[in-house]
Parts: sequence; structure tokens; C-alpha cells
Amino acid sequence: AQSVTQLDSHVSVSEGTPVLLRCNYSSSYSPSLFWYVQHPNKGLQLLLKYTSAATLVKGINGFEAEFKKSETSFHLTKPSAHMSDAAEYFCVVSLTSGGGADGLTFGKGTHLIIQP
Amino acid sequence: GAVVSQHPSRVICKSGTSVKIECRSLDFQATTMFWYRQFPKQSLMLMATSNEGSKATYEQGVEKDKFLINHASLTLSTLTVTSAHPEDSSFYICSARWGPREQYFGPGTRLTVT
Repeated sequence: AQSVTQLDSHVSVSEGTPVLLRCNYSSSYSPSLFWYVQHPNKGLQLLLKYTSAATLVKGINGFEAEFKKSETSFHLTKPSAHMSDAAEYFCVVSLTSGGGADGLTFGKGTHLIIQP
Repeated sequence: GAVVSQHPSRVICKSGTSVKIECRSLDFQATTMFWYRQFPKQSLMLMATSNEGSKATYEQGVEKDKFLINHASLTLSTLTVTSAHPEDSSFYICSARWGPREQYFGPGTRLTVT
């Protein structure tokens, strides 16, 4: 079984300050981990993914995440927030690199608010 | 990159009617397609997995007779919500995948049942 916990339902930061969105996972096997972003009434866009290669993963739009097996964490960070980053972010776990026959297991999401 | 489309983007129907949602992979062949449901301000829940040419596999608690899924070709899967009721109102998102690779998501379909 696999699960993912996003520790904050809402995160509010000022424009230009760092962003930290926290995610912990549980998996019986070596997981693949993803971060997706969803803007209002839109589909999902992949920010980055970890598939057992480098533990520090760089994604689009300046985001990156670090896989820490000892802490079972995969937190998403960005050095400087931009107004366009305001959206819903989902941490996702899968047993296979592509999302497997079981599909993906989504966290409950973190709503990122950017203050001007 | 790979593009997945959904049609319609929004649909309003009356209670008791059926609604069909299409999911298409536009520039690749999808051996597997997934259907997700998202309630307002909530996460996505996997409803079913469909492989081209075979019956869909439904997640626990999802009524297969209510949510009919057909994956007739490598580029098209359809979800039909039969005898829709207001509680079926939701945002339905599909994704498509070739082999064991990454899933690509469609833009979603907003279903409102009145």
C-alpha cells in the first residue's frame, strides 16, 4: 500500500520569498514521486518527478524537490515566489516510474497563496 | 510534449440522463488511460484504469454500471455517467500513458447535474 501526506492545506508567502510545500510518503516499495500543479479549473501540470536517480530533482518554473528516504519526505521548494505560482499543488506517489497499473495516489493538495 | 484532450470541457445535464466524456491522446498512442474524479477543493481520486481493448478495472467503491468506461482505440477512451444525479456533479480528469511511462493529464470536464 502507498499513501502520501501533504502537511499543510494552505501556505501563504509574500512575492519574492521562498516557498516550501511539505510532503511525506509511505510505500512498501521504492516509490516514484511527483509534484503536480493545478491552476483553477484547469488540468494538472507536472512540475517534477523522482524516479530513483538523483535525490535532488529540478523541475519547471524554478521548482525543485529533494527525496529523503530516511525522512520519507519529498518537499517542494522554490527560492523566490512569483504571483503566477498561486495554485493548488499535489504531491503524488506511484509504485512505478510512469504511474503504474494502479494509477497514482494523490495527496490532498496544498493551496499556495502569494501575497503581493 | 504529449497532449491529452477532453471533450466537452463543461456539461450541464438533467438528473436521470446520461453523459459521455471523451478523452483523447493527440500525439501518442495510449495503452492505458485513467479516469479520476475531483470534488471541489479536494484531491483527485482514481476511479478506474482502462487498457486498450480490455475491460476497465474499477477502484473499490466505484460503480461500474454507473460509470461506463470504453477504451476502444489507442487514442480514445470514453466515460459515460449513466442516470446522472446531482451527487455525480464533479470535475472528471483523464490521463493517458504509453507503456510504463509518465501519465499525461487532460484538462478536465466539469459536470453539473441539475
